[in-house]
Amino acid sequence: DTGVSQDPRHKITKRGQNVTFRCDPISEHNRLYWYRQTLGQGPEFLTYFQNEAQLEKSRLLSDRFSAERPKGSFSTLEIQRTEQGDSAMYLCASSLDGGRSYGYTFGSGTRLTVV
Amino acid sequence: TQLLEQSPQFLSIQEGENLTVYCNSSSVFSSLQWYRQEPGEGPVLLVTVVTGGEVKKLKRLTFQFGDARKDSSLHITAAQPGDTGLYLCAGDNSGNTPLVFGKGTRLSVIA
Repeated sequence: DTGVSQDPRHKITKRGQNVTFRCDPISEHNRLYWYRQTLGQGPEFLTYFQNEAQLEKSRLLSDRFSAERPKGSFSTLEIQRTEQGDSAMYLCASSLDGGRSYGYTFGSGTRLTVV
Repeated sequence: TQLLEQSPQFLSIQEGENLTVYCNSSSVFSSLQWYRQEPGEGPVLLVTVVTGGEVKKLKRLTFQFGDARKDSSLHITAAQPGDTGLYLCAGDNSGNTPLVFGKGTRLSVIA
């Protein structure tokens, strides 16, 4: 297992377009998280899954954002009608049992630029 | 909402110097984790501290969890350019809620 993979690494899109990002977690990990990070800030929680169930969504997550994790494996994060304020690094992480013992393993992120 | 305040926000030092960065909260956490993040990459776990007063060492890095489990510090001895990066602390409430991250301390070690 090569860790958490995110695709694409970079995405430039025009305002109003839809974008979809993919995350492949470590296969043994049952939890998968999405965070967003802007310049000068720490990661902000967006949503997380335990297996295929979406357990929590941040109040920051507008209804333009949707995430899925079919069959409890990879996950996708879709942003509809992108806005310039959506420009950020989108980080995916996975963990075993909430990360208490071994922490979260993060991917390298998808950097989104909305022009 | 639980908040983690990290200080200083930026730190630039010469190679060989010692430094300490802080992570403070008004809330109690069941554990705190420290991560380091390099530009264009995701954060990488350095350590988890669980018990109040706990001290953990990782080579030249020393981590301490406050007695009341509300704060933590990271001390680096004889800093090297390879220590350059964004140091993030993250609080865990119970293992059943997502980690809450601070804004980080951006460290630059100049050779």
